[in-house]
Amino acid sequence: KNEVEQSPQNLTAQEGEFITINCSYSVGISALHWLQQHPGGGIVSLFMLSSGKKKHGRLIATINIQEKHSSLHITASHPRDSAVYICAVRSSGGGADGLTFGKGTHLIIQP
Amino acid sequence: SAVISQKPSRDICQRGTSLTIQCQVDSQVTMMFWYRQQPGQSLTLIATANQGSEATYESGFVIDKFPISRPNLTFSTLTVSNMSPEDSSIYLCSVEGREEFYNEQFFGPGTRLTVL
Repeated sequence: KNEVEQSPQNLTAQEGEFITINCSYSVGISALHWLQQHPGGGIVSLFMLSSGKKKHGRLIATINIQEKHSSLHITASHPRDSAVYICAVRSSGGGADGLTFGKGTHLIIQP
Repeated sequence: SAVISQKPSRDICQRGTSLTIQCQVDSQVTMMFWYRQQPGQSLTLIATANQGSEATYESGFVIDKFPISRPNLTFSTLTVSNMSPEDSSIYLCSVEGREEFYNEQFFGPGTRLTVL
């Protein structure tokens, strides 16, 4: 079973700072997801990656398959970015498995 | 993208009772999953809901406690049976998109369950 580790667990930063959240996993994957969960509990899918890099607005996600590592970056952070960011992976090898989740990074952006 | 609704959005239940959570998707999807998020924890997969056959449960979850139905490609239910306070969690339905959204994962808004 895949082990997913995220760092940091908690991050407090000032508005405007560049934010990096890291995710590492233990075995090969077919896809990696970055998710955002707001205090009300709703989860939004930010990115799905299988290689390379994706960008959406101020968010950038990268993945290094060889190193089994992914990063989520937020540029020009804003208080509305405050949320829990969760890395989740689907292990390779086929089958009908759901995702394995990291424990999340609790991000607070202070004005 | 797939739009997912869940009912109820929240409930407070007494120990020993059962609650059935419904998940409705606005399009046909192959894969539907049920997750649990206990307070302060990340999500844990309960089971994969299979259309036309029995659900596939993860280790630590059993059909008697969490029976699941999947009568068609747009609907599923999860029942939390004989509840105890340890079952207090957010329960989330998730689907994997088809065709152009293949391998994308979409989540329902969740059902917040409190067991007294």
